[in-house]
Amino acid sequence: QVQLQESGPGLVKSSETLSVTCDVSGYPIINGFYWGWIRRPPGKGLEWLGSFYRGDVYYNPYFKSRVSISGDRSKNQVSLTLTAVTAADTATYFCARVGSGFPWDYWGRGTLVTVFS
Amino acid sequence: QSSLTQPASVSGSPGQSVTMSCTGVNIDVGFFVSWYRQYPGEAPKLIIYEVHKRPSGVSGRFSGSKSGNTASLTISGLQTEDEADYHCCSYSSKDTYWVFGGGTKLTVL
Repeated sequence: QVQLQESGPGLVKSSETLSVTCDVSGYPIINGFYWGWIRRPPGKGLEWLGSFYRGDVYYNPYFKSRVSISGDRSKNQVSLTLTAVTAADTATYFCARVGSGFPWDYWGRGTLVTVFS
Repeated sequence: QSSLTQPASVSGSPGQSVTMSCTGVNIDVGFFVSWYRQYPGEAPKLIIYEVHKRPSGVSGRFSGSKSGNTASLTISGLQTEDEADYHCCSYSSKDTYWVFGGGTKLTVL
């Protein structure tokens, strides 16, 4: 059974860097499938930030200049870094896996990150 | 910029059917369309993938379809537990890119 668990700082100061991690259990991230980050700002829809696949990374062009995603094989963990945050980056950040047919089939519970000034 | 347009809200009464749309703007809505149900404070749950397929365990009351550049989700036999936000998503294999719609809030009256 694949399980994902995000962890994050809770609060990040404006203009600084947001970092969240996702612990994956039940499947080695390096063996395949896309693993990615999706966020939901309050009152808005879901936004895809980027995905990791066997060492290759793909980013949403809208965030590409600020986002970085990496995978740690030894910890079976996927990480997200978002630089120069503003209040617009306040959101619940989810990590998820892409299944056959490219839907997001497994999700973590999400971690709320609030940007303050 | 590519986007998917969803109605902000739809509503229906218990037992009725409701359909919500998802229209591509500057993006081809192709084969890899998926839909998610999300309750407040919870993670989204996959309910439809590849336009019309249901994951194991998802009720047959949920069905998906596509016409042109618009995908649709139909929920039949509405139940109070269906009240939630519904998100569509389209994957572009050409660019390895996923885009989500803005979400539709379903109210069961």
